[in-house]
Amino acid sequence: QKEVEQDPGPLSVPEGAIVSLNCTYSNSAFQYFMWYRQYSRKGPELLMYTYSSGNKEDGRFTAQVDKSSKYISLFIRDSQPSDSATYLCAMSEYNAGGTSYGKLTFGQGTILTVHP
Amino acid sequence: DADVTQTPRNRITKTGKRIMLECSQTKGHDRMYWYRQDPGLGLRLIYYSFDVKDINKGEISDGYSVSRQAQAKFSLSLESAIPNQTALYFCATSDPDSYEQYFGPGTRLTVT
Repeated sequence: QKEVEQDPGPLSVPEGAIVSLNCTYSNSAFQYFMWYRQYSRKGPELLMYTYSSGNKEDGRFTAQVDKSSKYISLFIRDSQPSDSATYLCAMSEYNAGGTSYGKLTFGQGTILTVHP
Repeated sequence: DADVTQTPRNRITKTGKRIMLECSQTKGHDRMYWYRQDPGLGLRLIYYSFDVKDINKGEISDGYSVSRQAQAKFSLSLESAIPNQTALYFCATSDPDSYEQYFGPGTRLTVT
């Protein structure tokens, strides 16, 4: 079993829809949770980051973490064609020996298409 | 100019050939990473380096080797390429005090 499982999709939604992207994980040591967005023929770019259970909002995007259930989500409101991309969840442990962050473990990625 | 550059961007090679993928970064970060991306498998870590003298194997290092020539340069080599190494390869860099990794544009490698 992979440490991080992501709903593979693909998802195709109409413009204006609410999109929900989800990941589950099995490693209790994961403390930091991220969502990366990857446009076609580009490298991933950080979209959202959170380290505590609860919600974090940034414009049309909301990241949700439930550590008790080992479940994270990304919600996109009023989705736009420009949101069409692959979305990757990523997680990191905390290096107990110092302030440095651990390496990332990624989910499989979900391809999202928002059509006009 | 891009903060993380990768060369070549595309490469087709034959089984058994040795190939090197190069990565350079101008962000001044100590940490560098090599990943491969396959459809349905996400990004998987091949090797990572937390400074010039530190090299570590990742999840899928078999068949690969790396060289950290300088803080800004990190190369990935396939000593004897095989078809199942056909994938998209990404280099990334990060600062030790930050969770964010910055990715290059990727190298599409095809082994025939």
